[in-house]
Amino acid sequence: DIQMTQSPSSLSASVGDRVTITCRASQGIRNDLGWYQQKPGKAPKRLIYAASSLQSGVPSRFSGSGSGTEFTLTISSLQPEDFATYYCLQHNSYPRYTFGQGTKLEIK
Amino acid sequence: EVQLVESGGGLIQPGGSLRLSCAASGFTVSSNYMSWVRQAPGKGLEWVSVIYSGGSTYYADSVKGRFTISRDNSKNTLYLQMNSLRAEDTAVYYCASDVALGYWGQGTLVTVSS
Repeated sequence: DIQMTQSPSSLSASVGDRVTITCRASQGIRNDLGWYQQKPGKAPKRLIYAASSLQSGVPSRFSGSGSGTEFTLTISSLQPEDFATYYCLQHNSYPRYTFGQGTKLEIK
Repeated sequence: EVQLVESGGGLIQPGGSLRLSCAASGFTVSSNYMSWVRQAPGKGLEWVSVIYSGGSTYYADSVKGRFTISRDNSKNTLYLQMNSLRAEDTAVYYCASDVALGYWGQGTLVTVSS
């Protein structure tokens, strides 16, 4: 099975900061990766699909990059509503999907 | 507009059974890959099961032999039959659509406890 290692597990940042979250796959997954944002008590919401494509309606301060085994989610200028938990998901080895462990983004 | 609405969660004793439903609108369930994903309290996301448009079904090792995914095309609804429930099955269960899990429902809470 493909393992996804997400880092960091938590991150403190301030409004206006640029932040980067990384996911590494245990083997190549092409660009079969998505990034999700989850707020407490809510369902995950997809931000990025195919590693770098922005989901419709998602602000352009969110961006994704990478291919193969290393992927990043970047928020260019943090806004108050961005404080949440973020997950990556690989779907290359479907039917066995694998999520990263999550990154909790907190206000400094 | 794509919408997924889960129902059927609740409190159930260990060893019991429960059936979750996921009513879809805005697209056809039978034409899509449909999955169940769960999240234990305070934990991360775990993929549980998928049904392909062709009808093939797959399960995580943790639920294989106990859970069954199915769909009713006439009702455009996805199901998850959960048998022999354990405390570790306690979680919010989400349904999600398409091969890349693009759309999610709001979730339904299953609590397995005596």
